[in-house]
Amino acid sequence: NAGVTQTPKFQVLKTGQSMTLQCAQDMNHNSMYWYRQDPGMGLRLIYYSASEGTTDKGEVPNGYNVSRLNKREFSLRLESAAPSQTSVYFCASSGISGGLTKEQYFGPGTRLTVT
Amino acid sequence: AQSVTQPDIHITVSEGASLELRCNYSYGATPYLFWYVQSPGQGLQLLLKYFSGDTLVQGIKGFEAEFKRSQSSFNLRKPSVHWSDAAEYFCAVGGVLTGGGNKLTFGTGTQLKVEL
Repeated sequence: NAGVTQTPKFQVLKTGQSMTLQCAQDMNHNSMYWYRQDPGMGLRLIYYSASEGTTDKGEVPNGYNVSRLNKREFSLRLESAAPSQTSVYFCASSGISGGLTKEQYFGPGTRLTVT
Repeated sequence: AQSVTQPDIHITVSEGASLELRCNYSYGATPYLFWYVQSPGQGLQLLLKYFSGDTLVQGIKGFEAEFKRSQSSFNLRKPSVHWSDAAEYFCAVGGVLTGGGNKLTFGTGTQLKVEL
């Protein structure tokens, strides 16, 4: 099992450029998440997908869009990158069974710099 | 609203010494609690979790944590630290998102340095 995989690992963009971060999981999890991590702020939820076909905003959704392509894949798109979006982005997934919350499993992250 | 406080931004311990990392949470119901560890340039790895039952939970790498409802705390402990434990540690509290799925609220992390 690869768990949660993310591509690319590193990316440098210029202000105004667009890009899509890819995420895939092979654990048959229903729910997937995108976080950003900034120094001194922990992880903040950008968007999530509770199940295939649904997506919802998290704490910091502005400037981002997501697509739950299928049960395995959940992509994050920056339409017009801004320097404030310089961050490390993590994808995570979790399974829910019997209504119980399950732990989240994280990918290795994408380090994005916007100049 | 749920929240997590990790009061110690940095902690330095000597190899072989004991370790305790503090975590306080705010949550309206019985919380789901987690500790994650992040090595430099890596993703987050789950150390341990508390859902219910025994308030002392064992995790990987010799870590344990104790849930104390009266103190709203979930402190992480290790009896003897190894140099490889140097990393950043995150406490998180879990709840249910309105759209489904589970919401994790993270603390700001504690950076652990181990002196040889």
